[in-house]
Amino acid sequence: DAKTTQPPSMDCAEGRAANLPCNHSTISGNEYVYWYRQIHSQGPQYIIHGLKNNETNEMASLIITEDRKSSTLILPHATLRDTAVYYCIVRVRFRDKIIFGKGTRLHILP
Amino acid sequence: DAGVIQSPRHEVTEMGQEVTLRCKPISGHNSLFWYRQTMMRGLELLIYFNNNVPIDDSGMPEDRFSAKMPNASFSTLKIQPSEPRDSAVYFCASGPSSGQEQYFGPGTRLTVT
Repeated sequence: DAKTTQPPSMDCAEGRAANLPCNHSTISGNEYVYWYRQIHSQGPQYIIHGLKNNETNEMASLIITEDRKSSTLILPHATLRDTAVYYCIVRVRFRDKIIFGKGTRLHILP
Repeated sequence: DAGVIQSPRHEVTEMGQEVTLRCKPISGHNSLFWYRQTMMRGLELLIYFNNNVPIDDSGMPEDRFSAKMPNASFSTLKIQPSEPRDSAVYFCASGPSSGQEQYFGPGTRLTVT
């Protein structure tokens, strides 16, 4: 039970912002939202995580709605190297193991 | 830092043979995880260690699978005897501590014929 719902696939033009949605309507107050991605033939890569505030790092931004029932991962200027499967995960930090769902397969179009 | 190191990167073996996969976590990380990925089942957690102690092995499919972590810088996942349905990519990951973000190795692609 991955606790999240993501679209199976999305397309984005190279150079544009890629906005990947995730629904987590049953999220608990102490559960964080984590994002990982997996580029073909590689191991998953940690991207970002947050609790309720928006977060930004060198890879991406994470926007979490005020009710915390959904979030959006934003890749500000997508490149071909961002083509990957993106996983949205909710878990209690410092306690729960990661359960990967099916994720969203993001295609960056040249 | 070299990241998580796994060996071998590819392994082809015959059914019934013993297979040992190896992992060196990132120095200073206290938690280590073994995952298996197949097209049918996706990415599954098999077992994880915290401070070299196995914490949760509920994902280990059966007694043919065993994992050890004799010290903070080395772990093994052994399959004995191997079967064709064990064919998959096996990932090792490490993290600063249990429950925090994880950093994955490149994986070992296992083929059992």
